[in-house]
Amino acid sequence: GESVGLHLPTLSVQEGDNSIINCAYSNSASDYFIWYKQESGKGPQFIIDIRSNMDKRQGQRVTVLLNKTVKHLSLQIAATQPGDSAVYFCADQPSSGNTGKLIFGQGTTLQVKP
Amino acid sequence: DAGVIQSPRHEVTEMGQEVTLRCKPISGHNSLFWYRQTMMRGLELLIYFNNNVPIDDSGMPEDRFSAKMPNASFSTLKIQPSEPRDSAVYFCASSLNTNLYEQYFGPGTRLTVT
Repeated sequence: GESVGLHLPTLSVQEGDNSIINCAYSNSASDYFIWYKQESGKGPQFIIDIRSNMDKRQGQRVTVLLNKTVKHLSLQIAATQPGDSAVYFCADQPSSGNTGKLIFGQGTTLQVKP
Repeated sequence: DAGVIQSPRHEVTEMGQEVTLRCKPISGHNSLFWYRQTMMRGLELLIYFNNNVPIDDSGMPEDRFSAKMPNASFSTLKIQPSEPRDSAVYFCASSLNTNLYEQYFGPGTRLTVT
């Protein structure tokens, strides 16, 4: 069945270091992936997305890498700051067509140590 | 921009009671999504609307759950009768048709059913 999962439930990094959060997906037909960030007590917030015809996409301090061969994507955060502490979810579009439906992974908690 | 507004922020009720959660999407957004988040099951899509019409309600757990969107600026999620296993954080999100997957989440309603 459809699943989007993350490799590690918690990632702890030092402030200023780079963070890498990984995600695996099972649906080889998925062609759109998104990363969301959820801070404590708040709703998820869109960070960045990537389509399957791309291998890499960069935003402000964030980069998403997609490896379709092994069905893996990662979110890289440069110069991690305390404000980056949150739960990060990868999500994919479970079926073709522009339906708006997303399947979310379980999330990785990023802890930034000062 | 006020963002997505949800009420109440917290709801504590007894098993068997009716619960109504409310959502006001961002003005101009065409799509509205209801999600449920629990530790065990993560973030699950319950139902979503496009232009006030329910498009996919396959995530609604059972007949005790119902959702309406009488106009573009208001939606409700009702649980009747409520059960302890319904305890969760319920999020409403909205998006534009130009990018259904860039969803803007509200702060959520934390529901506790005793």
